[in-house]
Amino acid sequence: EADIYQTPRYLVIGTGKKITLECSQTMGHDKMYWYQQDPGMELHLIHYSYGVNSTEKGDLSSESTVSRIRTEHFPLTLESARPSHTSQYLCASSESGRGLNTGELFFGEGSRLTVL
Amino acid sequence: AQRVTQPEKLLSVFKGAPVELKCNYSYSGSPELFWYVQYSRQRLQLLLRHISRESIKGFTADLNKGETSFHLKKPFAQEEDSAMYYCALAHNAGNMLTFGGGTRLMVKP
Repeated sequence: EADIYQTPRYLVIGTGKKITLECSQTMGHDKMYWYQQDPGMELHLIHYSYGVNSTEKGDLSSESTVSRIRTEHFPLTLESARPSHTSQYLCASSESGRGLNTGELFFGEGSRLTVL
Repeated sequence: AQRVTQPEKLLSVFKGAPVELKCNYSYSGSPELFWYVQYSRQRLQLLLRHISRESIKGFTADLNKGETSFHLKKPFAQEEDSAMYYCALAHNAGNMLTFGGGTRLMVKP
């Protein structure tokens, strides 16, 4: 079944640890995104990708990095986690092109990260 | 720079009452606006987009360029409408979405 998967759903780690949040989609979409969302707050775009080997930074500056080696996979990495990184991270994908499909993002269930 | 503002963090209405969730935007280009919804324990998903001029689950939204608004309306709220609603603006040739802060709608029985 076509879907977008995020793992882990919940992660509690200590300061200084390296973490990778996984995101995979079987939708066949070229475009993928990472949003950061603090509780009750806006979603902020932190990274996006138009395709393999394409990555761009979003509106909100983030210390995280991303890679896009395969179309379906868009992991996010924090080399040294800090308490300020505590947040929910949402991965999304969308089709390429314009028209009525523009703006329709398909979201994963999110990864809630807590850094102690 | 583009910005989306949802002035109400929480909106509480009784079942059967009309509901209007406000959304204002600022954008120098031609706006493409959307409403996304997140029901309890479900993913964020698209509710409707202004370009389609559609009604979904009884909700409608009209783009008012003069007032730079895209308010979401429903004449008779139902309990199952309780959710978080996010207004969003597409930019960068439609490749990026900027979201508002969201409004939690609570429909009381």
